[in-house]
Amino acid sequence: SQKIEQNSEALNIQEGKTATLTCNYTNYSPAYLQWYRQDPGRGPVFLLLIRENEKEKRKERLKVTFDTTLKQSLFHITASQPADSATYLCALSNDYKLSFGAGTTVTVRA
Amino acid sequence: DTGVSQDPRHKITKRGQNVTFRCDPISEHNRLYWYRQTLGQGPEFLTYFQNEAQLEKSRLLSDRFSAERPKGSFSTLEIQRTEQGDSAMYLCASSLGLAGGAGEQFFGPGTRLTVL
Repeated sequence: SQKIEQNSEALNIQEGKTATLTCNYTNYSPAYLQWYRQDPGRGPVFLLLIRENEKEKRKERLKVTFDTTLKQSLFHITASQPADSATYLCALSNDYKLSFGAGTTVTVRA
Repeated sequence: DTGVSQDPRHKITKRGQNVTFRCDPISEHNRLYWYRQTLGQGPEFLTYFQNEAQLEKSRLLSDRFSAERPKGSFSTLEIQRTEQGDSAMYLCASSLGLAGGAGEQFFGPGTRLTVL
């Protein structure tokens, strides 16, 4: 069965540094990969979508890469700020249905 | 605020009772989804509507669960004879039906269910 794994450890970084999160998957060939942010007690909020034929996508301080050979996506937050502290979820899909990883919690220290 | 609303935000019930949750999606979105999320896990897909038609139900959705989307607008999720294992956050999301596959989904704040 398909498996989606994100960094098992929480990420604790200093303000201004780059946070790098990983999303690895097996038994799946997704056409799309999305990243969402979730704050405690709230629903996920969409950040970025990357297609299988795209290698990299950027949005402001965020960058996502998608390597379908390695079956891996990397999510980078550059020049991190305390307001970036949240749980980040990767989600894979081929159509309408999203399959989520368990998420990685990021804490940015001032 | 994504524009998707859910009601109630919190529900505490006793085992064996029935509960119903409501989701109001973004008005122009024809797709509506229900997910369930437990602590430390990502959301798990439960069911999906395109307009008023329920097109897929996860095997996680036992026969105690039923969802409707009358007239393709709001949706309800009912759980009958609740069990303690049903305790979770129930998330609703909506999206535009883009040709060729998934676009971004807009999630509501969720309904947190606690079954005592």
